[in-house]
Amino acid sequence: DAGVIQSPRHEVTEMGQEVTLRCKPISGHNSLFWYRQTMMRGLELLIYFNNNVPIDDSGMPEDRFSAKMPNASFSTLKIQPSEPRDSAVYFCASSFRHPNTEAFFGQGTRLTVV
Amino acid sequence: AQKVTQAQTEISVVEKEDVTLDCVYETRDTTYYLFWYKQPPSGELVFLIRRNSFDEQNEISGRYSWNFQKSTSSFNFTITASQVVDSAVYFCALSNAGNNRKLIWGLGTSLAVNP
Repeated sequence: DAGVIQSPRHEVTEMGQEVTLRCKPISGHNSLFWYRQTMMRGLELLIYFNNNVPIDDSGMPEDRFSAKMPNASFSTLKIQPSEPRDSAVYFCASSFRHPNTEAFFGQGTRLTVV
Repeated sequence: AQKVTQAQTEISVVEKEDVTLDCVYETRDTTYYLFWYKQPPSGELVFLIRRNSFDEQNEISGRYSWNFQKSTSSFNFTITASQVVDSAVYFCALSNAGNNRKLIWGLGTSLAVNP
């Protein structure tokens, strides 16, 4: 398996623009997580899906953030409109039967909002 | 409330030294899971180990070993004979088995192994 695949790897955008981050989890995994990592706040869980259903989105910072998982093999995290404080590395991770098994992480998307 | 504390923000050692990274957790659950992840300078997060709360056996994997002690709510990680390639940020994490299955992360320990 190719592992968790995220795209793009790097994104630079202007404030106010819409940003869409994409994730393809490992085939067969039924849990998917979106994390944000910054120097100031460390790793923050944004949202967690189980069997394509959002289970906990309490970490989503505000209404500008939204996430979808239309099927078991694809998820998106959208920021609209983006702000400079959204600059961070965004990780997607997937696992099978969380929390019994470990989560595997993608390589992350480094987002810079200028 | 659940919490993971990695009190050591940064550690610097010389190659071949042994180093222990501390992790202390808080949870009221009787069933929970503990994890260690490594984040090398390249940025990806690499899974190292998972331990459930009913398994207090220590684990050794090559130069890596883990000491799980429920009595002190600690899950410490030791690297024996450290190498430059061990330089990374190491994260400890906790999750429960209940309805809210979030991974609670420590803030990480940045380990620098110098030649």
